[in-house]
Amino acid sequence: AQSVTQPDIHITVSEGASLELRCNYSYGATPYLFWYVQSPGQGLQLLLKYFSGDTLVQGIKGFEAEFKRSQSSFNLRKPSVHWSDAAEYFCAVVLPLSGGYNKLIFGAGTRLAVHP
Amino acid sequence: EPEVTQTPSHQVTQMGQEVILRCVPISNHLYFYWYRQILGQKVEFLVSFYNNEISEKSEIFDDQFSVERPDGSNFTLKIRSTKLEDSAMYFCASSEGVNTIYFGEGSWLTVV
Repeated sequence: AQSVTQPDIHITVSEGASLELRCNYSYGATPYLFWYVQSPGQGLQLLLKYFSGDTLVQGIKGFEAEFKRSQSSFNLRKPSVHWSDAAEYFCAVVLPLSGGYNKLIFGAGTRLAVHP
Repeated sequence: EPEVTQTPSHQVTQMGQEVILRCVPISNHLYFYWYRQILGQKVEFLVSFYNNEISEKSEIFDDQFSVERPDGSNFTLKIRSTKLEDSAMYFCASSEGVNTIYFGEGSWLTVV
């Protein structure tokens, strides 16, 4: 069955440190890949997406992600974390359905804490 | 930037009552969705809607749930006879096609 795995439930980094959040997917073909961020009590904000082409994609808030087909991974990175980045991060995969509808499959999320 | 808007942001309801959650998708989008997130759990797909009909629904979306697009702008999720386990954040989302899905801020539903 198709799935999205985020192996790290919680990550704590110091402000200014680099960050990498892991995401692996299990799907027969290359899906569309997304990272969303959710601040406490808030909705889901799209950080970045990958459909095709350049495997390194840039997003908002200084985030980037790299698609590696050989590893079925789409890891999220940021070179220098800010305290405001503390939130929960969700990796998601689109499974194109018949008729062109979308159905996002989410990972369990990684909660990021940032120490001053 | 256009956004998906949801009302109410929070609702508390008694078990057994009916709840309607409302959404205004992005205006030029044709595909509409509801997802839910039970506290501490992952976001789950409930239903997708296109051309005035349900295109897919999950096993969660049973007869207790229904969706409707009553006019040209609103998209609603009705939960009949709410249960305690329906307490969750419900997200409305929309997309133009097979591309990016945009989410609303969510509606917190607490069933007591």
